[in-house]
Amino acid sequence: SQTIHQWPATLVQPVGSPLSLECTVEGTSNPNLYWYRQAAGRGLQLLFYSVGIGQISSEVPQNLSASRPQDRQFILSSKKLLLSDSGFYLCAWSVRGLAGAEQYFGPGTRLTVT
Amino acid sequence: AQSVSQHNHHVILSEAASLELGCNYSYGGTVNLFWYVQYPGQHLQLLLKYFSGDPLVKGIKGFEAEFIKSKFSFNLRKPSVQWSDTAEYFCAVNARNDYKLSFGAGTTVTVRA
Repeated sequence: SQTIHQWPATLVQPVGSPLSLECTVEGTSNPNLYWYRQAAGRGLQLLFYSVGIGQISSEVPQNLSASRPQDRQFILSSKKLLLSDSGFYLCAWSVRGLAGAEQYFGPGTRLTVT
Repeated sequence: AQSVSQHNHHVILSEAASLELGCNYSYGGTVNLFWYVQYPGQHLQLLLKYFSGDPLVKGIKGFEAEFIKSKFSFNLRKPSVQWSDTAEYFCAVNARNDYKLSFGAGTTVTVRA
C-alpha cells in the first residue's frame, strides 16, 4: 500500500532563517506531488505541484520554493522565513496522468516562525 | 479558477442528530467534487467523491453527498451522527483534467455525547 511521510512534524524557526520540509511517498511510482498550506479558518491553499522530476508549477507567488530531486521526493524550501510563513504544511500525492484524481495527504508539518 | 464556499464554520450537535453541511462552488465547466475529513490528530482523508454518474454518492462511515449541478452544490449529509464524527470537514473541487484542487475553508463539526 502507498504511504506518504513528512518531516519534521513540528518546527519553530526564527524570522530570516532558512527552511526545508521534506515529503516522500512509498508504494507508488511517478506520482503527481503537491504542497499545500493550511491556515486556520481558510482551508487549504495549493502552493506547488509537480508532475515529474524537476517539473514544478507554482500557484502562489511567495517566499517559498519547491524541488523534486527524485521521483517520490518533494521538498519545500525558503531562503529567509517570514512571520507570514507560519502555518500547517501538507504534502499530497495522486496518480500520475489522472488529472482530477483524488489526492492523498500526509500528516503535515506545523511551522511556527517567531 | 474555481472557488469553494462552505456555509458553516462550526456546527455543534448531539449524537443521533442529522447533519448537513453545505458546499457551493463557482466554475462553469465540468468538475470533480470531493469531501475530505480530518479527525483530531489524524491525516486529512477522503470521505467521498463525485466524478460522474449518479449524483447521489455514498462514502465511508454512513456519509453521502448530492451533486446538484443547477445549484453548483455538493452538500454532505449523515442521517444520524456519532461522537466519533467530531472532525473538520472540507469540500474540494477541481476542473475535470486539472491538477489543481480548490478547497473550502472547512467546517468544524462537534458532536456532543
